[in-house]
Amino acid sequence: KNEVEQSPQNLTAQEGEFITINCSYSVGISALHWLQQHPGGGIVSLFMLSSGKKKHGRLIATINIQEKHSSLHITASHPRDSAVYICAAFFGNQFYFGTGTSLTVIP
Amino acid sequence: DADVTQTPRNRITKTGKRIMLECSQTKGHDRMYWYRQDPGLGLQLIYYSFDVKDINKGEISDGYSVSRQAQAKFSLSLESAIPNQTALYFCATSDTGTSSNTGELFFGEGSRLTVL
Repeated sequence: KNEVEQSPQNLTAQEGEFITINCSYSVGISALHWLQQHPGGGIVSLFMLSSGKKKHGRLIATINIQEKHSSLHITASHPRDSAVYICAAFFGNQFYFGTGTSLTVIP
Repeated sequence: DADVTQTPRNRITKTGKRIMLECSQTKGHDRMYWYRQDPGLGLQLIYYSFDVKDINKGEISDGYSVSRQAQAKFSLSLESAIPNQTALYFCATSDTGTSSNTGELFFGEGSRLTVL
């Protein structure tokens, strides 16, 4: 079973497009993280959400606790946004990870 | 210096050899984790530790062992490496769930292990 589902698995966009990546989870959570993994492997945390919405630059993350759903939006996408985006739900003292969305932004 | 440092970053070894991956952190977090990442799969938890005297198995602990030498250090060992342990390994730290919870989650740069 997979407590965390992401969609789409792969996404190709033209530079400048608005991008949405979705994450659904099946249990009650304490927090949800959005992570970014660039080619070469390193993983960084972009956001931690427990409710509502957060914005950093061109990135916006939202969460709907009742619907058990979170979205990561990228406005005015750029080739440097090309990476794998992973959502991680925290519950039961552990993190549970989606399989990631591989984003490629074409110039 | 990085907040979470893993060594080695890359290692090629042979079946049956003992391998240790080391992790150290400067965040002062109590919670440390070892994960394995395989292509097409999400991060899978191998072991986790909530303090120096606390070690817990994750979902894929068979064939692995860990040691929490200090708050800042958490090492992962493969006692007798096998080819299906070829993967990218990540150490992570967090403060989620503590009284001063800020929701931080930090990863090391990863250790790529190849077992021939």
